[in-house]
Amino acid sequence: KNQVEQSPQSLIILEGKNCTLQCNYTVSPFSNLRWYKQDTGRGPVSLTIMTFSENTKSNGRYTATLDADTKQSSLHITASQLSDSASYICVVSALGGTYKYIFGTGTRLKVLA
Amino acid sequence: DAGVIQSPRHEVTEMGQEVTLRCKPISGHNSLFWYRQTMMRGLELLIYFNNNVPIDDSGMPEDRFSAKMPNASFSTLKIQPSEPRDSAVYFCASSFRASELAKNIQYFGAGTRLSVL
Repeated sequence: KNQVEQSPQSLIILEGKNCTLQCNYTVSPFSNLRWYKQDTGRGPVSLTIMTFSENTKSNGRYTATLDADTKQSSLHITASQLSDSASYICVVSALGGTYKYIFGTGTRLKVLA
Repeated sequence: DAGVIQSPRHEVTEMGQEVTLRCKPISGHNSLFWYRQTMMRGLELLIYFNNNVPIDDSGMPEDRFSAKMPNASFSTLKIQPSEPRDSAVYFCASSFRASELAKNIQYFGAGTRLSVL
């Protein structure tokens, strides 16, 4: 069964600190993996997209890594800011169904001053 | 571009009433998605259109749900009759699907928060 699991469910950190969010998936055959940021009351916004051959992808202070062998991905946030407070959702799609995205339930991050 | 536009932003209705949610995708996009988001289940794909044609509606929960895309710039999601368990945030997203292997970035609207009393 295709599944995407994220950890932790929620996280609280102080402004300026780094953090890493985890995503494990069982989707096969794998096509690509995305990380989305969803602010409260808004729709998800794409942060990074990685295919099988990409091990790392950066978007400003956000760096995503992908290990296709172990089927794990992480999202590292450097020097966190208050505006990073949001839910971060890992999404995986399979070959032969690239319109069908399997969503994780997200990690809710709170950055405190 | 204004992005994906959804209306209304909030809808409160009574059980049994008909609800219609609207979506205007980004101009030039050929794929449109309707999602439902709840705390318990996260984001779930309801239906996917490609070039205005419904490709997969297997996520539509019941016959009470229907979706249409009469043209490339407009789509509706209708619930009739509505029930309290339909309360959720409904998102519309659009993308340009160039090929099977393309990254096909999805752009989401701000969502419609539906409360059925």
